[in-house]
Parts: sequence; structure tokens; C-alpha cells
Amino acid sequence: DVKVTQSSRYLVKRTGEKVFLECVQDMDHENMFWYRQDPGLGLRLIYFSYDVKMKEKGDIPEGYSVSREKKERFSLILESASTNQTSMYLCASRWGTGGREQFFGPGTRLTVL
Amino acid sequence: AQKVTQAQTEISVVEKEDVTLDCVYETRDTTYYLFWYKQPPSGELVFLIRRNSFDEQNEISGRYSWNFQKSTSSFNFTITASQVVDSAVYFCALSDSWGKLQFGAGTQVVVTP
Repeated sequence: DVKVTQSSRYLVKRTGEKVFLECVQDMDHENMFWYRQDPGLGLRLIYFSYDVKMKEKGDIPEGYSVSREKKERFSLILESASTNQTSMYLCASRWGTGGREQFFGPGTRLTVL
Repeated sequence: AQKVTQAQTEISVVEKEDVTLDCVYETRDTTYYLFWYKQPPSGELVFLIRRNSFDEQNEISGRYSWNFQKSTSSFNFTITASQVVDSAVYFCALSDSWGKLQFGAGTQVVVTP
């Protein structure tokens, strides 16, 4: 089974802090994704990566950056956390092209005070 | 731009009733993929079913069935004889050929004994 793990289930940070969310997948998938989930809005794509050191902006990249130094690891970075970034963050990975399903991690619920 | 609409915010049923979840999508692509995901209270999204734009054949898989109609841009999902374990948020999603997923807002299904 594909396993996608995220570094924390719950995280509390203060406004202005730099926040790192880590995601690791164990199935050699080329593609990795970061979403945020908010009530009534579903999941929205922040960034995705289709290869090591490659990244593409999603629908809501403002205030975020990403890093993919190794194939199995995709990090989401909040350079200066703000209260409007309080949300559930979900990481996903996928092998191959668009018709295949994405596999999701358990999510990190981030609260910015 | 792609768009997915799940008009039902919450559906409550009694165990053994059937539940149908509506999904309407918008896309200009001729090649696209449609998905249903389930998010139980634990938070991790679980892939349920996938359909590509060239295959309108409707199928049944266990207690799940789906109705894909390109003429009305709809991809509805039915759970037959619902069980308490079906209680979850269900997301409909649309993917282009590159694999960027656009999610609907989700429908909360509550199944009571």
C-alpha cells in the first residue's frame, strides 16, 4: 500500500513564525501535491511538483513556498505565518499522469495565533 | 477554468437507506477525469472511483454505483443500503490531463442507526 505521511497532525504557531510542513511518500511517485482544506471550500491546490527540484503554482500559492530536494519528500513552507493560514493541510502523491488517483496523507491541522 | 459543484452540503439518512450524491462539473477540456473521494472523521482522503471523459458506462462496485452523463456534465454517486461506517465527507473532483485536481466543496453524509 502507498503510504503518505505528514510530520505533524496538529501544529500551533504564532503570527510571523516560519513554518515547515513535511510530507514523505514511500512509493516512488513522481508527483506530489499540497492542498489546504477549509469548510465550504473543499480542497484547494497550493503547489505541486512533478519531479525533484521542480515545482508549479497551484490555485492559491500566495504566502507559501515549497521545496523538493528528494523524490520522496515535499515540504510546504510558510515564510511568515498569518492567522488566515489557519487551516487543514493535506499532502498527496501520484504516479504517472492525470488519470490516476492521488494518495493522501492524514493531514496537518495548523493553527496560527 | 474548471469548476466542480456539490450543491448538497449535508445529507442525513437512516441506516439501510440509499444515498445519492450530486456532482456537476464544468470544463473545456475534451480529455478529463472524474473522481469521488471519501474523507472519514480520521481526516485522510480515500479514493473511491474514477471515470474518464471517454467512458460513460455506468458501473456498480459493491454498494457503490455512479452515473456519469456528459450531456448534463454530471457525475453522481450512490451508496446503496447505507451503513454507519459510510458517515464521512464525500468529495467529487475533476482532473485535467496533467492531473491537477479541482475539488467540489464536499457533502457531509450522516448515517444514523
